[in-house]
Amino acid sequence: DAMVIQNPRYQVTQFGKPVTLSCSQTLNHNVMYWYQQKSSQAPKLLFHYYDKDFNNEADTPDNFQSRRPNTSFCFLDIRSPGLGDAAMYLCATSTSGTYEQYFGPGTRLTVT
Amino acid sequence: GDSVTQMEGPVTLSEEAFLTINCTYTATGYPSLFWYVQYPGEGLQLLLKATKADDKGSNKGFEATYRKETTSFHLEKGSVQVSDSAVYFCALRWGNTPLVFGKGTRLSVIA
Repeated sequence: DAMVIQNPRYQVTQFGKPVTLSCSQTLNHNVMYWYQQKSSQAPKLLFHYYDKDFNNEADTPDNFQSRRPNTSFCFLDIRSPGLGDAAMYLCATSTSGTYEQYFGPGTRLTVT
Repeated sequence: GDSVTQMEGPVTLSEEAFLTINCTYTATGYPSLFWYVQYPGEGLQLLLKATKADDKGSNKGFEATYRKETTSFHLEKGSVQVSDSAVYFCALRWGNTPLVFGKGTRLSVIA
């Protein structure tokens, strides 16, 4: 089945230790999104790629970076995680001209 | 800017009760409207959508009608089940722009 895959599902990192979260998709969608979702809150968009064009939200901290080496993969890099970065990170995809965003299962990040 | 307001939870219902979760939006023009559901520990799943005024989205017994006169997209289900316990997010979107989410409403259904 075509889908959005996130690895790992659970990630534990230490304060200040760089961490990378991975997202892949078999849908061949040209748009990919990264959201941060803290407990009992709505997902907050961090950035998205429209094809290779990177679009950063104005309030996304510099600590968060992203890479999209090809259509299928997108990575979220947190350069120096703080305790406040503990959250669920959701990847989503969509394609031009359609309405739906397809979400992956998320990666729950714990910072110790 | 565009925004979505939905009723605060948590909402606790007995099995087979009627469910309404209110959602209103603020936007210039007529965006597409969505309800997403998030089960514990999982990502978001699209529950239903409506892309123009007076459209009714439906899925798994849930329904919502796009009402432009009241700028609303209320979610309803006639008879909830324990398996419907989840967080429900109302959202809007213009074309290829990112989704704008409401804050979510947690539903707990007890047997």
